[in-house]
Amino acid sequence: SQQGEEDPQALSIQEGENATMNCSYKTSINNLQWYRQNSGRGLVHLILIRSNEREKHSGRLRVTLDTSKKSSSLLITASRAADTASYFCATGVLTGGGNKLTFGTGTQLKVEL
Amino acid sequence: EAEVAQSPRYKITEKSQAVAFWCDPISGHATLYWYRQILGQGPELLVQFQDESVVDDSQLPKDRFSAERLKGVDSTLKIQPAELGDSAMYLCASSLAGQGADTQYFGPGTRLTVL
Repeated sequence: SQQGEEDPQALSIQEGENATMNCSYKTSINNLQWYRQNSGRGLVHLILIRSNEREKHSGRLRVTLDTSKKSSSLLITASRAADTASYFCATGVLTGGGNKLTFGTGTQLKVEL
Repeated sequence: EAEVAQSPRYKITEKSQAVAFWCDPISGHATLYWYRQILGQGPELLVQFQDESVVDDSQLPKDRFSAERLKGVDSTLKIQPAELGDSAMYLCASSLAGQGADTQYFGPGTRLTVL
């Protein structure tokens, strides 16, 4: 079952613009991660934010987490054509077996030249 | 840079046949995951191994799916018999220890088509 829901489902922007994707979830979490997936390929880890953190940066990526609203956002600044991909949020819950991830439905980002 | 290896990359089979997928995690990674990703959706966890032991297989359809990691290194996921609804991408991932919020590294996946 999917825990997170990304919004929008699809986003098309011009190169150089910023892209913002949102993720909402339903139950309490310990951490939230964002992954990128190029068409037909595996997932690449982008960034992890823990439940006691509000904001993290990595290069052109900025992630926020609001646990009171059960939502997160991923901002990609100065987008490039190579950023074209699907982006997934994954909520993490720490269990006896480790960090169980539940992925959302994804946002398809298209960056046009 | 070390990567998770998966084979085959593509598999076409007929329903009721048996299929098997192989995964070799990053060296030293104790935790191994198998996910299924249906087109247009996010990955869903099928089974998680810590070394050679299964720690979570609650979403694995055990009547037809099986997974093993005999020596705690590489792993095989099997489907027998395959059904039309099994058509999906099967992703393997590994992480260092499975403790805490560690990063999962994904392989390129096996795209299964059941005819």
